[in-house]
Amino acid sequence: GEKVEQHESTLSVREGDSAVINCTYTDTASSYFPWYKQEAGKSLHFVIDIRSNVDRKQSQRLTVLLDKKAKRFSLHITATQPEDSAIYFCAASRAGSSGNKLIFGIGTLLSVKP
Amino acid sequence: EAAVTQSPRNKVAVTGGKVTLSCNQTNNHNNMYWYRQDTGHGLRLIHYSYGAGSTEKGDIPDGYKASRPSQENFSLILELATPSQTSVYFCASGARTGGQDTQYFGPGTRLLVL
Repeated sequence: GEKVEQHESTLSVREGDSAVINCTYTDTASSYFPWYKQEAGKSLHFVIDIRSNVDRKQSQRLTVLLDKKAKRFSLHITATQPEDSAIYFCAASRAGSSGNKLIFGIGTLLSVKP
Repeated sequence: EAAVTQSPRNKVAVTGGKVTLSCNQTNNHNNMYWYRQDTGHGLRLIHYSYGAGSTEKGDIPDGYKASRPSQENFSLILELATPSQTSVYFCASGARTGGQDTQYFGPGTRLLVL
C-alpha cells in the first residue's frame, strides 16, 4: 500500500537553531501534504500544509518544501523555541471528491534544548 | 470551546467485551475519521465517514465497526475487544478546503483491553 516515511525518528537542536524534518511518499498521485504537531500527552493539531501546485509555502517560522520529482517534502522550523518541542507528523493524500484519506508518517520527536 | 470531543477519555475493557467510543464535533464538518495511534506506526485510519448515514473502511478496519447517526456524532464499536486493540484512539473531523481535507482532532481515548 501507499506509504509515507519520516526519516528522522528523533531530532535534537539547540534553541535558536533551525530544524528540518524530511518525509518521502510513494503515491505519485498524492497532492496534499499537511503537517501536524503533537505535544506530550496531547492531541494532534494542524500546523501547516502544502498542495502539489506549489513547491514552497511559508507561515511565520515554518516553511514546507515539496519536491514532486523526488516525492519528498520537508518541514523547516527556524529560530526554534522550547515550545516547538513535540512530535511532528507528516502526511499525504490524494484529492477526493468528498474529503481525503491521510497516510501518516510515524512521527519525529523534536527536542529543543535551551 | 473544544470543537471535537471524545468519550470516554480512558477505558479499561475485558477481552471479548463490547466497547463503544464516541465522538462529537461542532464544526459542522461533513467528514469524520477514526484513527489509532501506536508507537512505531504513527496514526492509522480505521473508519471514516462522508456524512450522516455513511461509513467507509479505512486501512485497518478489521475488528471495528463504525456508526454515523448524525452530522455531529461518529462512533467506533469494538464488538469483541482483544488485547491487540489496546491503543490510543483519535477522532477527527474534516473541513474541505480546495478539495483537500484539513482535519481537526479530538483529545483521544486511551483504551486498555485486558
